[in-house]
Amino acid sequence: ETGVTQTPRHLVMGMTNKKSLKCEQHLGHNAMYWYKQSAKKPLELMFVYSLEERVENNSVPSRFSPECPNSSHLFLHLHTLQPEDSALYLCASSQDKSDTQYFGPGTRLTVL
Amino acid sequence: EDQVTQSPEALRLQEGESSSLNCSYTVSGLRGLFWYRQDPGKGPEFLFTLYSAGEEKEKERLKATLTKKESFLHITAPKPEDSATYLCAVRLRNQFYFGTGTSLTVIP
Repeated sequence: ETGVTQTPRHLVMGMTNKKSLKCEQHLGHNAMYWYKQSAKKPLELMFVYSLEERVENNSVPSRFSPECPNSSHLFLHLHTLQPEDSALYLCASSQDKSDTQYFGPGTRLTVL
Repeated sequence: EDQVTQSPEALRLQEGESSSLNCSYTVSGLRGLFWYRQDPGKGPEFLFTLYSAGEEKEKERLKATLTKKESFLHITAPKPEDSATYLCAVRLRNQFYFGTGTSLTVIP
């Protein structure tokens, strides 16, 4: 595998389910990101991990919970989501927080 | 408030018809401007980074330029495979701000 990979690519879940999105980067980078992409809106930064420090967007609901066990792996744990959370969730990585970000293919999430 | 604006929102070109996409930003202290290409259902693919006014970068039929308040992505003699959404992002301090993109369709 090369670059940034994400699994699953597609996910359909009910509002009471719990699921997790996984991201893995093979670039030797030190920073990883979760973004939400909704139609006609700019990419919304949700969380940043850099050298074990977490920075988050304060507007992200607590039903989204990130986990970064090491510099190559990033998870987004989902629980009791709402239909408006349906979107493309993108993972990205960069050498450091100020560097060019490289994106994975995304997970298309649908909440019923 | 920091803002990144891309125009036009959508652009249809005939194959071979050159044009430009615009990305403007309304803040000072730019630390980098990034262009990405995004195909439907996929993640953004990195194209260019520009750091200072007057800088230019090229890749195949694409050329990106930067002034103090805006960047242009010039597409020369586009082909149907250039059809995609083109996103720009600016880095200010340690924050990245993305535009909403320009959806480009190149008609054979």
